Amino acid sequence: QKEVEQNSGPLSVPEGAIASLNCTYSDRVSQSFFWYRQYSGKSPELIMSIYSNGDKEDGRFTAQLNKASQYVSLLIRDSQPSDSATYLCAVIQDTGFQKLVFGTGTRLLVSP
Amino acid sequence: DVKVTQSSRYLVKRTGEKVFLECVQDMDHENMFWYRQDPGLGLRLIYFSYDVKMKEKGDIPEGYSVSREKKERFSLILESASTNQTSMYLCASISRGNYGYTFGSGTRLTVV
Repeated sequence: QKEVEQNSGPLSVPEGAIASLNCTYSDRVSQSFFWYRQYSGKSPELIMSIYSNGDKEDGRFTAQLNKASQYVSLLIRDSQPSDSATYLCAVIQDTGFQKLVFGTGTRLLVSP
Repeated sequence: DVKVTQSSRYLVKRTGEKVFLECVQDMDHENMFWYRQDPGLGLRLIYFSYDVKMKEKGDIPEGYSVSREKKERFSLILESASTNQTSMYLCASISRGNYGYTFGSGTRLTVV
């Protein structure tokens, strides 16, 4: 079983809708979770981090963490065509060395 | 803003060549990482370093080595390039106690 799993998509949503991206992880001791956005041909950029169960909101983005069920999700409200990108879920594997393990990403397409 | 600079955006090398990929960060970060990214496989950790002259193997170190002679610079070396090392290479750095990686812009390496 992969350590971090994401549906590869593409996930297609119309402009203005809510996009919901999901991620599951296998290591129960993981404590820190991240969402990165990667545009085609570009490097990943950090958009959200979450460490505690529950929701964390930042502008149009909300990260949700459920450690009991081992999943983390990202909601994008009022989706825009500029949100079209691949979203990578990442989990800290080793808190000492701060090694991140990445999912393979979900491609999001927001149509005008 | 933290800046992580990778020396080349695109690189084409011949099979058997020794290849150097350079990464420099300007924020005095202790930890630096080299990942490669391939379609369907996501980001995979090659090597990382937590201090000058200190290095640790990641998940796929075979065929690679690294060098960290100065804190700001972390080099990835392909001792004898092979076609299966054609990939996007991403360098990242992070300060201890902070979990948000900053990525460089990436080097797309093609080995022919």
